[in-house]
Amino acid sequence: DVKVTQSSRYLVKRTGEKVFLECVQDMDHENMFWYRQDPGLGLRLIYFSYDVKMKEKGDIPEGYSVSREKKERFSLILESASTNQTSMYLCASRTPSVGNQPQHFGDGTRLSIL
Amino acid sequence: TQLLEQSPQFLSIQEGENLTVYCNSSSVFSSLQWYRQEPGEGPVLLVTVVTGGEVKKLKRLTFQFGDARKDSSLHITAAQPGDTGLYLCAGVPRAGGTSYGKLTFGQGTILTVHP
Repeated sequence: DVKVTQSSRYLVKRTGEKVFLECVQDMDHENMFWYRQDPGLGLRLIYFSYDVKMKEKGDIPEGYSVSREKKERFSLILESASTNQTSMYLCASRTPSVGNQPQHFGDGTRLSIL
Repeated sequence: TQLLEQSPQFLSIQEGENLTVYCNSSSVFSSLQWYRQEPGEGPVLLVTVVTGGEVKKLKRLTFQFGDARKDSSLHITAAQPGDTGLYLCAGVPRAGGTSYGKLTFGQGTILTVHP
């Protein structure tokens, strides 16, 4: 069965800290995605990766960076956390084989920046 | 940028009632996916509709893709408390280019079904 694991369910950090959110998938998927989810705004794409070491900006990349050194792991980095980055963060992966394949999501990390 | 407008944002109904959620866009999509998300979990795919005019049924849930592939609806018959959750529509871009499987999500509909 498909499994996307996010390292933390809840995280509390302070303003200005560098924050790492980790995501691991066990399905050998090429495509991986990071979203943030806020009430009334749906899921907004931050960054995605279509292969190891390959990444592209999504719709709201400002204040974030990503790393994909291995196929199974996709990390989201908040360079200097700010209170407006308090949100639910969701990681997803997908096989690119055919266009209509679904994305498989982790259970999310609820991040609070104080 | 393709946009998907989902409505209503909130639905609070009694058990046994029917409801419809709408997803509309000015853009054409290759297909439309519907996800359901329960508290503390990530979204899970319910269905993908691919062909214009297509209707798919999943027990009491009926999904329809518009003829022009710009809109979709989810209809639930005789809603149950177990249907409570966040419903998300997501558009799959047309083939070609470098979409890499990116999805365009609607804002979501929070459904609460009271016993």
